[in-house]
Amino acid sequence: ILNVEQSPQSLHVQEGDSTNFTCSFPSSNFYALHWYRWETAKSPEALFVMTLNGDEKKKGRISATLNTKEGYSYLYIKGSQPEDSATYLCAPANFGNEKLTFGTGTRLTIIP
Amino acid sequence: DGGITQSPKYLFRKEGQNVTLSCEQNLNHDAMYWYRQDPGQGLRLIYYSQIVNDFQKGDIAEGYSVSREKKESFPLTVTSAQKNPTAFYLCASSITGDRDTEAFFGQGTRLTVV
Repeated sequence: ILNVEQSPQSLHVQEGDSTNFTCSFPSSNFYALHWYRWETAKSPEALFVMTLNGDEKKKGRISATLNTKEGYSYLYIKGSQPEDSATYLCAPANFGNEKLTFGTGTRLTIIP
Repeated sequence: DGGITQSPKYLFRKEGQNVTLSCEQNLNHDAMYWYRQDPGQGLRLIYYSQIVNDFQKGDIAEGYSVSREKKESFPLTVTSAQKNPTAFYLCASSITGDRDTEAFFGQGTRLTVV
Protein backbone atom coordinates (compact mmCIF):
# COMPACT_ATOMS: atom_id res chain seq x y z
CA ILE A 1 0.00 0.00 0.00
CA LEU A 2 1.42 3.40 -0.97
CA ASN A 3 1.89 6.08 1.66
CA VAL A 4 -0.27 8.98 0.46
CA GLU A 5 -0.53 12.23 2.37
CA GLN A 6 -2.87 15.09 1.67
CA SER A 7 -2.56 18.46 3.34
CA PRO A 8 -4.16 20.27 4.87
CA GLN A 9 -6.86 17.95 6.18
CA SER A 10 -9.38 20.76 6.11
CA LEU A 11 -9.48 24.30 4.84
CA HIS A 12 -11.87 27.25 5.09
CA VAL A 13 -11.59 29.80 2.32
CA GLN A 14 -13.46 33.03 1.74
CA GLU A 15 -15.53 33.14 -1.41
CA GLY A 16 -13.54 34.73 -4.19
CA ASP A 17 -10.15 33.81 -2.75
CA SER A 18 -7.84 31.33 -4.43
CA THR A 19 -6.46 28.30 -2.66
CA ASN A 20 -4.33 25.23 -3.16
CA PHE A 21 -3.57 21.96 -1.44
CA THR A 22 -1.10 19.14 -1.74
CA CYS A 23 -0.92 15.44 -2.38
CA SER A 24 2.37 13.69 -1.54
CA PHE A 25 3.21 10.17 -2.62
CA PRO A 26 6.23 7.92 -3.15
CA SER A 27 8.07 8.99 -6.29
CA SER A 28 9.51 5.58 -7.13
CA ASN A 29 7.84 3.61 -9.92
CA PHE A 30 5.22 6.30 -10.45
CA TYR A 31 2.48 5.43 -12.91
CA ALA A 32 -0.49 7.80 -12.54
CA LEU A 33 -2.12 10.28 -10.20
CA HIS A 34 -5.87 10.85 -9.94
CA TRP A 35 -7.76 13.77 -8.38
CA TYR A 36 -11.42 13.42 -7.40
CA ARG A 37 -13.94 15.86 -5.97
CA TRP A 38 -16.48 14.47 -3.50
CA GLU A 39 -19.39 16.69 -2.64
CA THR A 40 -21.57 15.82 0.32
CA ALA A 41 -24.37 13.37 -0.56
CA LYS A 42 -22.95 12.85 -4.05
CA SER A 43 -20.56 10.42 -5.72
CA PRO A 44 -16.86 11.17 -6.05
CA GLU A 45 -16.23 12.70 -9.45
CA ALA A 46 -12.98 12.56 -11.40
CA LEU A 47 -11.21 15.87 -11.95
CA PHE A 48 -7.91 14.84 -13.47
CA VAL A 49 -5.78 11.83 -14.30
CA MET A 50 -2.13 12.78 -14.69
CA THR A 51 0.77 10.66 -15.81
CA LEU A 52 3.62 12.88 -17.00
CA ASN A 53 6.12 14.74 -14.85
CA GLY A 54 5.55 18.47 -15.17
CA ASP A 55 2.06 17.96 -16.48
CA GLU A 56 -0.50 20.64 -15.77
CA LYS A 57 -4.21 20.12 -16.29
CA LYS A 58 -7.05 22.59 -16.07
CA LYS A 59 -10.81 22.37 -15.82
CA GLY A 60 -12.46 25.76 -15.47
CA ARG A 61 -11.13 27.42 -12.31
CA ILE A 62 -9.44 24.24 -11.09
CA SER A 63 -5.97 23.19 -12.16
CA ALA A 64 -3.42 20.63 -11.04
CA THR A 65 0.30 20.16 -11.42
CA LEU A 66 2.38 17.05 -11.07
CA ASN A 67 5.98 16.48 -9.96
CA THR A 68 6.76 12.78 -10.21
CA LYS A 69 10.47 13.22 -9.38
CA GLU A 70 9.74 14.56 -5.91
CA GLY A 71 6.37 12.89 -5.46
CA TYR A 72 3.78 15.61 -5.15
CA SER A 73 0.82 17.19 -6.90
CA TYR A 74 -0.86 20.51 -6.23
CA LEU A 75 -4.50 21.28 -6.82
CA TYR A 76 -5.36 24.95 -7.31
CA ILE A 77 -8.75 26.61 -7.20
CA LYS A 78 -8.96 30.15 -8.48
CA GLY A 79 -11.68 32.50 -7.26
CA SER A 80 -13.38 29.98 -4.95
CA GLN A 81 -17.15 29.63 -5.18
CA PRO A 82 -19.57 27.97 -2.74
CA GLU A 83 -20.00 25.05 -5.14
CA ASP A 84 -16.31 24.26 -4.70
CA SER A 85 -17.04 23.08 -1.16
CA ALA A 86 -16.17 19.38 -1.19
CA THR A 87 -13.57 16.86 -0.17
CA TYR A 88 -10.76 16.56 -2.68
CA LEU A 89 -9.14 13.15 -2.93
CA CYS A 90 -5.93 12.20 -4.63
CA ALA A 91 -5.02 8.66 -5.59
CA PRO A 92 -1.62 7.69 -6.99
CA ALA A 93 -0.69 4.39 -8.57
CA ASN A 94 2.73 2.96 -9.22
CA PHE A 95 4.09 0.07 -11.21
CA GLY A 96 4.29 -2.10 -8.12
CA ASN A 97 0.56 -1.86 -7.48
CA GLU A 98 -2.30 -2.82 -9.72
CA LYS A 99 -4.62 -0.36 -8.01
CA LEU A 100 -5.05 3.19 -6.81
CA THR A 101 -4.32 4.17 -3.23
CA PHE A 102 -6.51 7.01 -1.97
CA GLY A 103 -5.44 9.71 0.44
CA THR A 104 -7.69 10.83 3.28
CA GLY A 105 -8.62 13.98 1.39
CA THR A 106 -8.68 17.73 1.93
CA ARG A 107 -12.05 19.00 3.07
CA LEU A 108 -12.62 22.45 1.57
CA THR A 109 -15.32 24.78 2.84
CA ILE A 110 -16.01 28.02 1.03
CA ILE A 111 -17.32 30.80 3.28
CA PRO A 112 -19.82 33.07 1.48
CA ASP B 1 -28.67 7.98 -18.45
CA GLY B 2 -25.47 6.00 -18.07
CA GLY B 3 -24.16 5.52 -14.61
CA ILE B 4 -23.40 3.32 -11.69
CA THR B 5 -26.11 2.44 -9.20
CA GLN B 6 -25.73 1.16 -5.69
CA SER B 7 -28.57 -0.11 -3.61
CA PRO B 8 -29.80 0.25 -1.02
CA LYS B 9 -28.57 3.62 0.22
CA TYR B 10 -28.90 2.57 3.87
CA LEU B 11 -28.79 -0.95 5.20
CA PHE B 12 -29.21 -2.28 8.70
CA ARG B 13 -28.35 -5.82 9.68
CA LYS B 14 -28.01 -7.81 12.83
CA GLU B 15 -24.60 -9.02 13.85
CA GLY B 16 -23.81 -12.46 12.46
CA GLN B 17 -25.90 -12.08 9.32
CA ASN B 18 -24.46 -11.97 5.85
CA VAL B 19 -25.58 -9.06 3.71
CA THR B 20 -25.18 -8.35 0.00
CA LEU B 21 -24.68 -4.88 -1.43
CA SER B 22 -25.70 -4.32 -5.01
CA CYS B 23 -23.69 -2.47 -7.67
CA GLU B 24 -24.85 -2.16 -11.27
CA GLN B 25 -23.36 -0.13 -14.13
CA ASN B 26 -24.60 0.52 -17.64
CA LEU B 27 -21.42 2.22 -18.83
CA ASN B 28 -20.10 -0.93 -20.53
CA HIS B 29 -17.02 -0.73 -18.30
CA ASP B 30 -14.78 -3.76 -17.95
CA ALA B 31 -13.42 -2.98 -14.50
CA MET B 32 -15.35 -2.65 -11.25
CA TYR B 33 -14.24 -1.95 -7.69
CA TRP B 34 -15.48 -1.99 -4.12
CA TYR B 35 -14.13 0.48 -1.58
CA ARG B 36 -14.80 1.01 2.06
CA GLN B 37 -14.62 4.32 3.88
CA ASP B 38 -14.19 4.73 7.62
CA PRO B 39 -13.93 8.04 9.48
CA GLY B 40 -10.49 9.60 9.16
CA GLN B 41 -9.31 7.12 6.55
CA GLY B 42 -9.00 7.15 2.81
CA LEU B 43 -10.98 4.86 0.58
CA ARG B 44 -9.66 1.34 0.99
CA LEU B 45 -9.99 -1.24 -1.75
CA ILE B 46 -11.86 -4.42 -0.86
CA TYR B 47 -12.08 -6.27 -4.17
CA TYR B 48 -11.75 -5.45 -7.83
CA SER B 49 -12.58 -7.11 -11.11
CA GLN B 50 -10.99 -6.31 -14.43
CA ILE B 51 -13.15 -8.63 -16.49
CA VAL B 52 -16.21 -10.84 -16.18
CA ASN B 53 -15.71 -14.03 -14.16
CA ASP B 54 -12.46 -12.74 -12.68
CA PHE B 55 -11.73 -10.73 -9.54
CA GLN B 56 -8.85 -10.04 -7.17
CA LYS B 57 -8.54 -9.20 -3.52
CA GLY B 58 -7.78 -5.64 -2.58
CA ASP B 59 -6.13 -4.44 0.59
CA ILE B 60 -8.90 -5.43 3.02
CA ALA B 61 -10.67 -8.44 1.49
CA GLU B 62 -10.99 -10.50 4.65
CA GLY B 63 -14.63 -11.08 5.58
CA TYR B 64 -15.94 -10.07 2.15
CA SER B 65 -16.81 -11.96 -1.03
CA VAL B 66 -17.75 -10.88 -4.54
CA SER B 67 -18.88 -12.31 -7.84
CA ARG B 68 -18.71 -11.01 -11.39
CA GLU B 69 -21.03 -13.17 -13.45
CA LYS B 70 -22.18 -10.29 -15.63
CA LYS B 71 -20.26 -7.32 -16.93
CA GLU B 72 -22.72 -4.85 -15.47
CA SER B 73 -22.99 -6.31 -11.98
CA PHE B 74 -20.50 -6.66 -9.11
CA PRO B 75 -22.28 -7.51 -5.85
CA LEU B 76 -20.40 -7.45 -2.55
CA THR B 77 -21.30 -9.80 0.30
CA VAL B 78 -20.31 -8.76 3.78
CA THR B 79 -20.03 -11.98 5.72
CA SER B 80 -20.27 -12.64 9.42
CA ALA B 81 -16.48 -13.09 9.38
CA GLN B 82 -15.98 -9.35 8.82
CA LYS B 83 -15.16 -8.03 12.28
CA ASN B 84 -16.14 -4.40 11.79
CA PRO B 85 -18.69 -4.30 8.98
CA THR B 86 -20.29 -0.96 9.86
CA ALA B 87 -18.96 1.46 7.24
CA PHE B 88 -19.72 3.37 4.08
CA TYR B 89 -19.25 1.27 0.93
CA LEU B 90 -18.54 2.72 -2.49
CA CYS B 91 -18.63 0.89 -5.80
CA ALA B 92 -16.80 2.19 -8.85
CA SER B 93 -16.13 1.24 -12.43
CA SER B 94 -13.69 2.22 -15.15
CA ILE B 95 -13.43 1.53 -18.86
CA THR B 96 -10.48 -0.75 -18.29
CA GLY B 97 -8.45 -1.83 -15.31
CA ASP B 98 -5.58 0.43 -16.37
CA ARG B 99 -4.65 2.80 -13.57
CA ASP B 100 -4.64 5.82 -15.89
CA THR B 101 -8.36 5.60 -16.59
CA GLU B 102 -10.74 7.54 -14.39
CA ALA B 103 -13.14 5.79 -12.09
CA PHE B 104 -16.87 6.47 -11.93
CA PHE B 105 -18.45 6.03 -8.53
CA GLY B 106 -21.87 5.13 -7.22
CA GLN B 107 -23.48 7.07 -4.39
CA GLY B 108 -22.60 4.50 -1.79
CA THR B 109 -24.31 2.26 0.72
CA ARG B 110 -24.09 2.95 4.42
CA LEU B 111 -24.16 -0.35 6.29
CA THR B 112 -24.89 -0.44 9.97
CA VAL B 113 -24.60 -3.69 11.86
CA VAL B 114 -26.27 -3.80 15.25
